[in-house]
Amino acid sequence: DAGVIQSPRHEVTEMGQEVTLRCKPISGHNSLFWYRQTMMRGLELLIYFNNNVPIDDSGMPEDRFSAKMPNASFSTLKIQPSEPRDSAVYFCASSLTANLRWAFFGQGTRLTVV
Amino acid sequence: QQQVKQSPQSLIVQKGGISIINCAYENTAFDYFPWYQQFPGKGPALLIAIRPDVSEKKEGRFTISFNKSAKQFSLHIMDSQPGDSATYFCAALALNSGGSNYKLTFGKGTLLTVNP
Repeated sequence: DAGVIQSPRHEVTEMGQEVTLRCKPISGHNSLFWYRQTMMRGLELLIYFNNNVPIDDSGMPEDRFSAKMPNASFSTLKIQPSEPRDSAVYFCASSLTANLRWAFFGQGTRLTVV
Repeated sequence: QQQVKQSPQSLIVQKGGISIINCAYENTAFDYFPWYQQFPGKGPALLIAIRPDVSEKKEGRFTISFNKSAKQFSLHIMDSQPGDSATYFCAALALNSGGSNYKLTFGKGTLLTVNP
């Protein structure tokens, strides 16, 4: 099993540009989570999908952020327009059920907005 | 509001020593307490976890101690090795207000360095 696959691993973009982060969950997992990690705030849950449906997006910081899960094997997190304060490492995680006890994390995407 | 407070922020231990990381929580609805280990450039990985009806759980060199009345729990790494050098996160899990989902709350992490 390849685990949770995120792309790109690193992204550098200019302020104002659109950024799309991608995630392929572990096959068979039906829950998917997007997290953001910064030194100041640690790991924060942005949004959680169950069976491709967004269940909890209360962690999405503002309207510039949006996430989709068009099918069970793919999810995107989009930032438009991007700002320097969005610079962080974004992690995707998946689990077999909504029970986060068995969640597996991807390697993350390091986003730098200049 | 930070619901899980973790300390210290960083820790340096000599090889063979004991590493101790502490966490405290506020929400009494939390019912599962995992620890994650994160190496540079990698995502967090589940290391060990405990439920509040147990006071201690041991897996190899890693032990969680849990004090329900004090709402505190800690990770002990015995015979610490340079390969244990990583960032460690405590976390807590509880049903959200809707009662149908789990929401994991992380501490801010502890950077552990084990010197050879």
